[in-house]
Amino acid sequence: AQSVTQPDIHITVSEGASLELRCNYSYGATPYLFWYVQSPGQGLQLLLKYFSGDTLVQGIKGFEAEFKRSQSSFNLRKPSVHWSDAAEYFCAVGANGNKLGFGAGTILRVKS
Amino acid sequence: NAGVTQTPKFQVLKTGQSMTLQCAQDMNHEYMSWYRQDPGMGLRLIHYSVGAGITDQGEVPNGYNVSRSTTEDFPLRLLSAAPSQTSVYFCASRNDRQNTIYFGEGSWLTVV
Repeated sequence: AQSVTQPDIHITVSEGASLELRCNYSYGATPYLFWYVQSPGQGLQLLLKYFSGDTLVQGIKGFEAEFKRSQSSFNLRKPSVHWSDAAEYFCAVGANGNKLGFGAGTILRVKS
Repeated sequence: NAGVTQTPKFQVLKTGQSMTLQCAQDMNHEYMSWYRQDPGMGLRLIHYSVGAGITDQGEVPNGYNVSRSTTEDFPLRLLSAAPSQTSVYFCASRNDRQNTIYFGEGSWLTVV
Protein backbone atom coordinates (compact mmCIF):
# COMPACT_ATOMS: atom_id res chain seq x y z
CA ALA A 1 0.00 0.00 0.00
CA GLN A 2 1.16 3.50 -0.67
CA SER A 3 0.68 6.58 1.44
CA VAL A 4 1.90 10.15 1.36
CA THR A 5 2.20 12.48 4.31
CA GLN A 6 2.55 16.21 4.07
CA PRO A 7 3.01 17.23 7.71
CA ASP A 8 2.32 20.93 7.22
CA ILE A 9 -1.22 21.99 6.38
CA HIS A 10 -0.32 25.67 6.11
CA ILE A 11 3.00 27.44 5.72
CA THR A 12 3.55 31.20 5.64
CA VAL A 13 6.80 32.68 4.36
CA SER A 14 7.91 36.19 3.53
CA GLU A 15 8.49 37.11 -0.07
CA GLY A 16 12.14 36.53 -0.92
CA ALA A 17 12.62 33.97 1.83
CA SER A 18 13.50 30.35 1.19
CA LEU A 19 10.89 27.61 1.23
CA GLU A 20 10.85 23.93 2.05
CA LEU A 21 7.69 21.82 1.85
CA ARG A 22 7.93 18.40 3.42
CA CYS A 23 6.73 15.13 1.94
CA ASN A 24 7.15 11.65 3.39
CA TYR A 25 5.93 8.55 1.63
CA SER A 26 5.41 4.88 2.20
CA TYR A 27 5.75 2.65 -0.81
CA GLY A 28 6.60 -0.99 -1.35
CA ALA A 29 8.88 -0.55 -4.34
CA THR A 30 10.97 2.11 -6.01
CA PRO A 31 8.63 5.07 -6.07
CA TYR A 32 7.80 7.50 -8.79
CA LEU A 33 7.44 10.85 -7.02
CA PHE A 34 5.74 14.04 -8.11
CA TRP A 35 5.01 17.53 -6.90
CA TYR A 36 1.97 19.38 -8.23
CA VAL A 37 0.80 22.92 -7.61
CA GLN A 38 -2.80 24.09 -7.62
CA SER A 39 -3.87 27.72 -7.70
CA PRO A 40 -7.35 28.55 -6.36
CA GLY A 41 -10.07 27.34 -8.72
CA GLN A 42 -7.57 25.76 -11.05
CA GLY A 43 -6.39 22.30 -11.98
CA LEU A 44 -3.08 20.73 -11.02
CA GLN A 45 0.17 21.67 -12.70
CA LEU A 46 3.20 19.43 -12.55
CA LEU A 47 6.20 21.10 -10.93
CA LEU A 48 8.67 18.23 -11.10
CA LYS A 49 9.02 14.48 -10.96
CA TYR A 50 11.54 11.85 -9.91
CA PHE A 51 11.88 8.39 -11.36
CA SER A 52 15.55 7.47 -11.03
CA GLY A 53 19.05 8.86 -11.30
CA ASP A 54 20.15 12.12 -9.74
CA THR A 55 18.29 12.51 -6.49
CA LEU A 56 18.09 16.29 -6.83
CA VAL A 57 15.58 17.19 -9.50
CA GLN A 58 14.88 20.57 -10.98
CA GLY A 59 11.41 21.70 -11.92
CA ILE A 60 9.58 24.66 -13.31
CA LYS A 61 9.28 28.06 -11.63
CA GLY A 62 12.62 27.66 -9.83
CA PHE A 63 11.54 24.70 -7.68
CA GLU A 64 13.68 21.70 -6.87
CA ALA A 65 13.17 18.56 -4.82
CA GLU A 66 15.51 16.03 -3.28
CA PHE A 67 14.75 12.33 -3.01
CA LYS A 68 16.14 10.76 0.15
CA ARG A 69 15.49 7.05 0.17
CA SER A 70 16.80 6.54 3.71
CA GLN A 71 14.30 9.06 5.03
CA SER A 72 11.47 8.20 2.60
CA SER A 73 11.24 11.87 1.83
CA PHE A 74 10.85 14.04 -1.24
CA ASN A 75 10.92 17.63 0.03
CA LEU A 76 10.24 20.56 -2.28
CA ARG A 77 12.45 23.65 -2.05
CA LYS A 78 12.76 27.10 -3.55
CA PRO A 79 15.55 29.54 -2.66
CA SER A 80 13.46 32.72 -2.96
CA VAL A 81 9.69 32.72 -2.88
CA HIS A 82 7.62 35.10 -5.00
CA TRP A 83 4.11 36.27 -4.16
CA SER A 84 2.83 34.35 -7.19
CA ASP A 85 3.94 31.09 -5.55
CA ALA A 86 1.02 31.29 -3.12
CA ALA A 87 -1.00 28.15 -3.87
CA GLU A 88 -1.61 24.64 -2.61
CA TYR A 89 1.09 22.05 -3.20
CA PHE A 90 0.57 18.33 -3.46
CA CYS A 91 3.10 15.55 -3.23
CA ALA A 92 2.20 12.30 -4.98
CA VAL A 93 3.66 8.79 -5.29
CA GLY A 94 2.89 5.94 -7.64
CA ALA A 95 4.21 3.31 -9.99
CA ASN A 96 4.88 4.46 -13.54
CA GLY A 97 2.63 7.43 -12.91
CA ASN A 98 -0.39 5.16 -12.49
CA LYS A 99 -2.80 5.24 -9.57
CA LEU A 100 -1.14 8.13 -7.84
CA GLY A 101 -1.54 8.51 -4.11
CA PHE A 102 -1.67 12.14 -3.04
CA GLY A 103 -0.82 13.87 0.16
CA ALA A 104 -3.41 16.10 1.78
CA GLY A 105 -1.68 19.21 0.47
CA THR A 106 0.18 22.17 1.94
CA ILE A 107 -1.22 25.65 1.53
CA LEU A 108 1.50 28.22 1.01
CA ARG A 109 0.87 31.83 1.96
CA VAL A 110 3.39 34.51 1.01
CA LYS A 111 3.74 37.68 3.06
CA SER A 112 4.81 40.83 1.27
CA ASN B 1 -4.02 21.26 -28.46
CA ALA B 2 -6.78 21.16 -25.83
CA GLY B 3 -5.20 18.53 -23.52
CA VAL B 4 -7.72 17.17 -21.01
CA THR B 5 -11.16 18.78 -21.20
CA GLN B 6 -13.81 18.39 -18.53
CA THR B 7 -17.44 19.45 -18.66
CA PRO B 8 -19.36 20.86 -16.95
CA LYS B 9 -17.16 23.07 -14.81
CA PHE B 10 -19.89 23.69 -12.25
CA GLN B 11 -23.01 21.68 -11.45
CA VAL B 12 -25.62 21.62 -8.69
CA LEU B 13 -27.63 18.44 -8.25
CA LYS B 14 -30.45 17.39 -6.00
CA THR B 15 -30.06 14.26 -3.91
CA GLY B 16 -31.03 11.23 -5.95
CA GLN B 17 -30.44 12.80 -9.35
CA SER B 18 -28.04 11.24 -11.80
CA MET B 19 -25.54 12.95 -14.02
CA THR B 20 -22.46 12.39 -16.11
CA LEU B 21 -19.20 14.30 -15.92
CA GLN B 22 -17.55 14.31 -19.30
CA CYS B 23 -13.82 13.98 -19.90
CA ALA B 24 -12.05 14.04 -23.22
CA GLN B 25 -8.39 14.09 -24.16
CA ASP B 26 -6.84 14.71 -27.55
CA MET B 27 -3.36 13.36 -26.81
CA ASN B 28 -4.09 9.71 -27.69
CA HIS B 29 -3.28 8.69 -24.12
CA GLU B 30 -4.04 5.12 -23.12
CA TYR B 31 -4.41 5.77 -19.41
CA MET B 32 -7.21 7.90 -17.99
CA SER B 33 -8.49 8.34 -14.48
CA TRP B 34 -10.92 10.22 -12.27
CA TYR B 35 -10.03 11.74 -8.90
CA ARG B 36 -12.06 13.60 -6.35
CA GLN B 37 -10.57 16.33 -4.21
CA ASP B 38 -11.87 17.09 -0.74
CA PRO B 39 -10.44 19.54 1.80
CA GLY B 40 -7.67 18.05 3.88
CA MET B 41 -7.70 14.78 1.95
CA GLY B 42 -5.79 15.53 -1.22
CA LEU B 43 -6.93 13.72 -4.33
CA ARG B 44 -8.38 10.23 -4.18
CA LEU B 45 -8.66 7.90 -7.15
CA ILE B 46 -12.22 6.92 -8.08
CA HIS B 47 -11.82 4.84 -11.26
CA TYR B 48 -9.21 4.42 -13.92
CA SER B 49 -8.77 2.92 -17.36
CA VAL B 50 -5.65 1.57 -19.05
CA GLY B 51 -7.24 1.56 -22.49
CA ALA B 52 -10.48 1.44 -24.44
CA GLY B 53 -12.80 -1.21 -23.06
CA ILE B 54 -10.85 -1.61 -19.81
CA THR B 55 -11.77 0.03 -16.51
CA ASP B 56 -10.99 -0.67 -12.88
CA GLN B 57 -11.81 0.67 -9.46
CA GLY B 58 -9.65 3.04 -7.50
CA GLU B 59 -9.70 3.96 -3.86
CA VAL B 60 -13.24 5.39 -3.63
CA PRO B 61 -15.39 3.85 -6.40
CA ASN B 62 -18.74 3.51 -4.63
CA GLY B 63 -21.55 5.53 -6.18
CA TYR B 64 -19.72 6.05 -9.46
CA ASN B 65 -19.64 4.25 -12.78
CA VAL B 66 -17.30 4.67 -15.72
CA SER B 67 -16.95 3.36 -19.24
CA ARG B 68 -14.25 3.67 -21.88
CA SER B 69 -15.71 3.05 -25.31
CA THR B 70 -13.10 5.19 -27.07
CA THR B 71 -9.52 6.21 -26.33
CA GLU B 72 -10.54 9.86 -26.16
CA ASP B 73 -13.48 9.78 -23.74
CA PHE B 74 -13.84 8.64 -20.14
CA PRO B 75 -17.17 9.78 -18.64
CA LEU B 76 -17.92 9.49 -14.92
CA ARG B 77 -21.51 8.73 -13.97
CA LEU B 78 -23.14 9.45 -10.65
CA LEU B 79 -26.05 7.05 -10.45
CA SER B 80 -27.94 8.58 -7.52
CA ALA B 81 -26.22 11.68 -6.20
CA ALA B 82 -25.66 12.04 -2.46
CA PRO B 83 -24.44 15.06 -0.47
CA SER B 84 -21.25 13.09 0.30
CA GLN B 85 -20.41 13.35 -3.39
CA THR B 86 -20.12 17.11 -3.17
CA SER B 87 -16.55 17.57 -4.29
CA VAL B 88 -14.21 18.76 -7.00
CA TYR B 89 -13.62 16.14 -9.65
CA PHE B 90 -10.51 15.91 -11.78
CA CYS B 91 -10.01 13.85 -14.88
CA ALA B 92 -6.46 12.92 -15.85
CA SER B 93 -4.66 11.14 -18.66
CA ARG B 94 -1.21 9.71 -19.26
CA ASN B 95 0.80 8.41 -22.17
CA ASP B 96 2.11 4.91 -21.61
CA ARG B 97 5.60 6.00 -22.62
CA GLN B 98 5.65 8.94 -20.24
CA ASN B 99 5.20 9.03 -16.52
CA THR B 100 3.42 12.33 -16.26
CA ILE B 101 -0.26 12.65 -15.57
CA TYR B 102 -2.04 15.61 -17.13
CA PHE B 103 -5.07 16.93 -15.28
CA GLY B 104 -8.18 18.67 -16.51
CA GLU B 105 -9.26 21.92 -14.91
CA GLY B 106 -11.78 20.29 -12.60
CA SER B 107 -15.55 20.03 -12.20
CA TRP B 108 -17.14 21.53 -9.10
CA LEU B 109 -20.15 19.45 -8.06
CA THR B 110 -22.57 20.34 -5.28
CA VAL B 111 -25.28 17.91 -4.18
CA VAL B 112 -28.06 19.45 -2.12
